[in-house]
Amino acid sequence: EVLLVQSGGGLVQPGGSLRLSCAVSGFTFSDSWMNWVRQTPGKGLEWVANIKPDGSDKYYVDSVKGRFTISRDNAKNSLHLQMNSLRDEDTAVYYCTRDRLSHWGQGTLVTVSS
Amino acid sequence: DVVLTQSPLSLPVTLGQPASISCRSSQSLVDSDGDTPLGWFHQRPGQSPRRLISEVSNRDSGVPDRFSGSGSGTDFTLKISRVEAEDVGVYYCMQVTHWPHTFGQGTKVEIK
Repeated sequence: EVLLVQSGGGLVQPGGSLRLSCAVSGFTFSDSWMNWVRQTPGKGLEWVANIKPDGSDKYYVDSVKGRFTISRDNAKNSLHLQMNSLRDEDTAVYYCTRDRLSHWGQGTLVTVSS
Repeated sequence: DVVLTQSPLSLPVTLGQPASISCRSSQSLVDSDGDTPLGWFHQRPGQSPRRLISEVSNRDSGVPDRFSGSGSGTDFTLKISRVEAEDVGVYYCMQVTHWPHTFGQGTKVEIK
């Protein structure tokens, strides 16, 4: 069974930092593109970032470039999203997803508010 | 960015009746390999989205055959042949041909 189990998230003040993690099992992690997708009531679903299987290439939506960093540890079957300089508009439920979104984590709420 | 426009945004349906959702793209979704990586997703309240269909018409494992996808280029359709109670929720189309990958705004399906 494919599982993506997320951790991290919570409440943070504007300008603060958070790190999201995703532990995966049930498939060959080191062969899979991985992604972070977020969802807000106002903007709907938004693809945030993705990373190549070997970690050599990473892509970000313009709104998070320079602030967010996606990374992976293939030895530990884990995916991460380091979020710095957080803004109110980053408030969302963040999902860890596999390949072309064939599988999703349970989601974790990030709230940026003073 | 590629804009995916879904219609309708709200779809009241009668149990056992068919339903259809349109997804129109602002650009062709045919990629450099000649494939069309357009997917459809279903999200129930309080749950993560679930992929139903990839590559326009390929049903994911475990997806009932009452769901079907069709289309090409810029126009795509998701059809439910006979709506069941578990089909309520929001449906999204999504493209990964162009970066940033984008989603449609969602179509809310509810039972009349």
